[in-house]
Amino acid sequence: EVQLVESGGGLVQPGGSLKLSCAASGFIFSGSAMHWVRQVSGKGLEWVGRIRSEPNNYGTEYAASVRGRFTISRDDSKNTVYLQMSRLKAGDTAIYYCSVHLKAQGGKWGQGTLVTVSS
Amino acid sequence: DIVMTQFPLSLPVTPGEPASISCRSSQSLLNSNGHNYLDWYVQKPGQSPQVLIYLGSNRASGVPDRFSGSGSGTDFTLKISRVEAADVGLYFCMQTLQTPLTFGGGTKVEIK
Repeated sequence: EVQLVESGGGLVQPGGSLKLSCAASGFIFSGSAMHWVRQVSGKGLEWVGRIRSEPNNYGTEYAASVRGRFTISRDDSKNTVYLQMSRLKAGDTAIYYCSVHLKAQGGKWGQGTLVTVSS
Repeated sequence: DIVMTQFPLSLPVTPGEPASISCRSSQSLLNSNGHNYLDWYVQKPGQSPQVLIYLGSNRASGVPDRFSGSGSGTDFTLKISRVEAADVGLYFCMQTLQTPLTFGGGTKVEIK
């Protein structure tokens, strides 16, 4: 069974930094691209970014709204993907989900971790 | 970016009756491999999104056969043949053809 477990969320001041983690199991993590998606207050969903697998040179792509402030990385030895967030703004307040799209299964999402940016 | 337009915004339904949600994309989601890169999800209160349909028409494992997905190119439909009380939640479509991945605005299904 595919499992994705996010952690690292919390309260951070504007301009601060936070690093989220997503531990994966139940599929071949090293061969899979991993995504981060965020959701503001149970409403709209916004794709944050993606990191590809090693055969694709761990290529990363980001939404325009976070490019230059957020960095996605991965550790295949730990089956974990990370989201390093810096220069955080109030508008970054959201639940952050990691997700993976698997052939013959569709998208799988974690339970999410809440990030609140406030002074 | 591909814009996803979903309607209706809200869908009051009567248990036992059918329901239908539409999703339109600003450009074709049909890949040269013959697959439409359109997924349907449901998000129940307090939970993360769960896939119902992937690649336009493939029912995900464990999803009741009351749910079906159809369409191709830019127009897609999610149908529930007989709505049950447990089906209440926020339904949304998502395109995975290209980044940035984009989402429909969501349809709130509620029981009349």
